[in-house]
Amino acid sequence: LAKTTQPISMDSYEGQEVNITCSHNNIATNDYITWYQQFPSQGPRFIIQGYKTKVTNEVASLFIPADRKSSTLSLPRVSLSDTAVYYCLGVGGAGSYQLTFGKGTKLSVIP
Amino acid sequence: DVKVTQSSRYLVKRTGEKVFLECVQDMDHENMFWYRQDPGLGLRLIYFSYDVKMKEKGDIPEGYSVSREKKERFSLILESASTNQTSMYLCASIDGQGRSSYNEQFFGPGTRLTVL
Repeated sequence: LAKTTQPISMDSYEGQEVNITCSHNNIATNDYITWYQQFPSQGPRFIIQGYKTKVTNEVASLFIPADRKSSTLSLPRVSLSDTAVYYCLGVGGAGSYQLTFGKGTKLSVIP
Repeated sequence: DVKVTQSSRYLVKRTGEKVFLECVQDMDHENMFWYRQDPGLGLRLIYFSYDVKMKEKGDIPEGYSVSREKKERFSLILESASTNQTSMYLCASIDGQGRSSYNEQFFGPGTRLTVL
């Protein structure tokens, strides 16, 4: 399982774009990069997943460079409700059932 | 709407008590997981199950056991609760045959257990 490294915390003002970068130097060839979001007193929630290049959904975008040693989660125009902890995971395919959550990045959105 | 439910949001027990944490999912998922979450340590996997009556140890199984008699239900058991088991416990399930983890993992709301 890929070991990931993220900043412990970030602050942002409302309306700004937030980019959270995750390092995963030993990611395996068949691992996907997956991001989860966790609000206080709730379980984590899947946000986005990708293998390489760019993936976009209604919540976020995920940028993965060609070497796949890092990835960047981009949250456009954040609001107070985006205050949460964001986890980056390397997720394997068949035969790899375990998700390893690191400590995540605590994003605080300021009015 | 998919759902993972846990029997209690808050639980207070005394040292030495036997504690049962129940988790139920309504998505017909094969794989179910129990994590604990502590400040500064992130989520750590305790046990998981990939089929009825099947279980495997995660990273921190000591002091815990599990039971999966039905596909939809996965129970975490603290045989003799201790104060260092005070934590937030999260149950999750994931779709997929075998052991694929590409799919989205769905989490319950968590049980905050305090052992006095």
